Amino acid sequence: DSGVTQTPKHLITATGQRVTLRCSPRSGDLSVYWYQQSLDQGLQFLIQYYNGEERAKGNILERFSAQQFPDLHSELNLSSLELGDSALYFCASSVSYLALGVENTEAFFGQGTRLTVV
Amino acid sequence: LAKTTQPISMDSYEGQEVNITCSHNNIATNDYITWYQQFPSQGPRFIIQGYKTKVTNEVASLFIPADRKSSTLSLPRVSLSDTAVYYCLVVLSNSGYALNFGKGTSLLVT
Repeated sequence: DSGVTQTPKHLITATGQRVTLRCSPRSGDLSVYWYQQSLDQGLQFLIQYYNGEERAKGNILERFSAQQFPDLHSELNLSSLELGDSALYFCASSVSYLALGVENTEAFFGQGTRLTVV
Repeated sequence: LAKTTQPISMDSYEGQEVNITCSHNNIATNDYITWYQQFPSQGPRFIIQGYKTKVTNEVASLFIPADRKSSTLSLPRVSLSDTAVYYCLVVLSNSGYALNFGKGTSLLVT
């Protein structure tokens, strides 16, 4: 158990709809990273928040948004969903404000939310 | 961001030592090399990180030659439970960017 909690585990929704994915980081971690994993794209970085502020942005679509709340949990909002948005969405947390892979920035990943758009 | 290249897949038998090599020809002076492991339908898990020479922990060893243009993750005496995808990451040490993992190396142990 990584200590990172993601809900829901599975989500099935129709095209055009909007969903919210939730992530609770490990106790004490200030950074939250969101990743999308689809079969043909591997793990793609979406966005990072550190202590409530947006820290870095990756390949996140304009239809997607995220925020981190004062209690440090984070939500990823996906709107106007398309079939191609079907993927596993992972949240990771770290004590560091730096990117994954930087010295001593070990991140802990949740179990993911599997989103299926039909 | 340094680009990495690793084999798409590898096969091994239980009890064997497995070495997965990652090429990162344009690694920068301050870049660290990090490896993550991912089991099916689970999030990636940090394995090991290094800068130069050799790093060893309870899970694996990481060998980095002097020119640092490649690195090798070594898994001693693999078991069936080591079947997973292994990702090599190289990131600028002062970068504010979290990177994409790429497709990694899918290791099958039988």
